[in-house]
Amino acid sequence: DIVMTQSPDSLAVSLGERATISCKSSQSVLYSSNNKNYLAWYQHKRGQPPKLLISWASTRESGVPDRFSGSGSGTDFTLTISSLQAEDVAIYYCHQYYTTPPWAFGQGTKVEIK
Amino acid sequence: EVQLVQSGAEVKKPGESLKISCKGSGYTFANNWIGWVRQMPGKGLEWMGIIYPGKSDTRYSPSFRGHVTISADTSIRTVYLQWGSLQASDTAMYYCVRTGLVRGEGDDWGQGTLVTVSS
Repeated sequence: DIVMTQSPDSLAVSLGERATISCKSSQSVLYSSNNKNYLAWYQHKRGQPPKLLISWASTRESGVPDRFSGSGSGTDFTLTISSLQAEDVAIYYCHQYYTTPPWAFGQGTKVEIK
Repeated sequence: EVQLVQSGAEVKKPGESLKISCKGSGYTFANNWIGWVRQMPGKGLEWMGIIYPGKSDTRYSPSFRGHVTISADTSIRTVYLQWGSLQASDTAMYYCVRTGLVRGEGDDWGQGTLVTVSS
C-alpha cells in the first residue's frame, strides 16, 4: 500500500503571505505510460464535504483560484497558496489515485491565520 | 448537475446494526465508482471502500474489511454502507464520493452523514 505523508501537520501564515505544504508518497505515483502523476489535493473546511482543488499533481479544477498551485513529480509534491486569504483556513490533504481503489489520503495539514 | 444525497444523522447504541445511503443523480450511475470516506472526530479522511455499481465490483481498505459492507441498488441509484454491529469507535462523519479522478473527471461528494454510537 502507498503511504502518503504530509508536512507540516499544521501551519499559521499571515494574510497575504505564502503557505507551502509538502506531501511525500512511499512509492512513485508517476505512471510512465502517460507521464501523469496520480496525485490530487483537497481542501476540507469545517461543516462541508472535502473539495477537490488539484488533480494530476498540478491541474487546478474549474473555479479554483489561481493562488492555489501544485507541483512535484514521482514521490515529492507541494501545494502552494501564494497569498493566503481568510477563506483558505481549512485542512488540506494530498491523495494518491495511482493504485487500484480504494486509495489513500495524507494525514492532513491544518492551515490557520497567524 | 451531479448530486449525491446522503441519508440523515443517526444515533445508535453499541451492538446495533445500521445502513446509511447515498443516492446519486445527474450522471450515469452504473458506470462510476462510488466510495465511502470516514472522518472520525478530530481526525483525517480515510477511504473505507468503493463500489462500481454496474459490475458490483466492491473493494475495501484493509482497516475496514469485515467490519462494514458496501452495496448498491442500480434500480434506485443508491449506494449503501452497512454495519452489522456498531462500536463506539464507529462514531464519525461518513461521506460518499463519486470519483472520476482516473478519467480526469474530478469527483462529487455527498453532504455527509453523522453517525453517533453511544450507550
